Amino acid sequence: DAKTTQPPSMDCAEGRAANLPCNHSTISGNEYVYWYRQIHSQGPQYIIHGLKNNETNEMASLIITEDRKSSTLILPHATLRDTAVYYCIVRTNQAGTALIFGKGTTLSVSS
Amino acid sequence: KAGVTQTPRYLIKTRGQQVTLSCSPISGHRSVSWYQQTPGQGLQFLFEYFSETQRNKGNFPGRFSGRQFSNSRSEMNVSTLELGDSALYLCASSEGSLRGTEAFFGQGTRLTVV
Repeated sequence: DAKTTQPPSMDCAEGRAANLPCNHSTISGNEYVYWYRQIHSQGPQYIIHGLKNNETNEMASLIITEDRKSSTLILPHATLRDTAVYYCIVRTNQAGTALIFGKGTTLSVSS
Repeated sequence: KAGVTQTPRYLIKTRGQQVTLSCSPISGHRSVSWYQQTPGQGLQFLFEYFSETQRNKGNFPGRFSGRQFSNSRSEMNVSTLELGDSALYLCASSEGSLRGTEAFFGQGTRLTVV
């Protein structure tokens, strides 16, 4: 079973920041938080991952709370092309570890 | 750099038949994982191959099998197809080193069993 809880859906206006929350209260010390997204009819796309520090790349920012029990993925300026299902996944970085997908959050960006 | 290539993109098979799906990973990637996606069960892990050996396996019946070749290309086989096997089958490749890294997914093969 997935170790994360995400809201089933969220809406965001184009150009605004999209903040997607994820609860992972049972996360272990050696587990990372990964985010993937899946645009309709395509394979999932890696976005970002982190252990305990906040992370930023060209796609998004990841904010992890100090107790590591929750995190937020931030898309700073959402566009229509960001409409997708976003998955928050907790996993170790041990080689061969599978990605266990939950139901994710469907983000709808509208103009 | 070419991405992950899955063939065929679409497939229609009859119950009881078998099917083989193919996945070519990103050049230099040695790990290939397979996932099944259905509306009811979502994305589920099937198995992972690294250097021609199955390194991890999900909770699927033995009808689902796979293999990996020396060039890291992988095939997945489903025998005695059932209607419930209709799904999008996704392949993901990663470097597969001792430390896990991000996985890159292909576009998938949509299998319809009639």
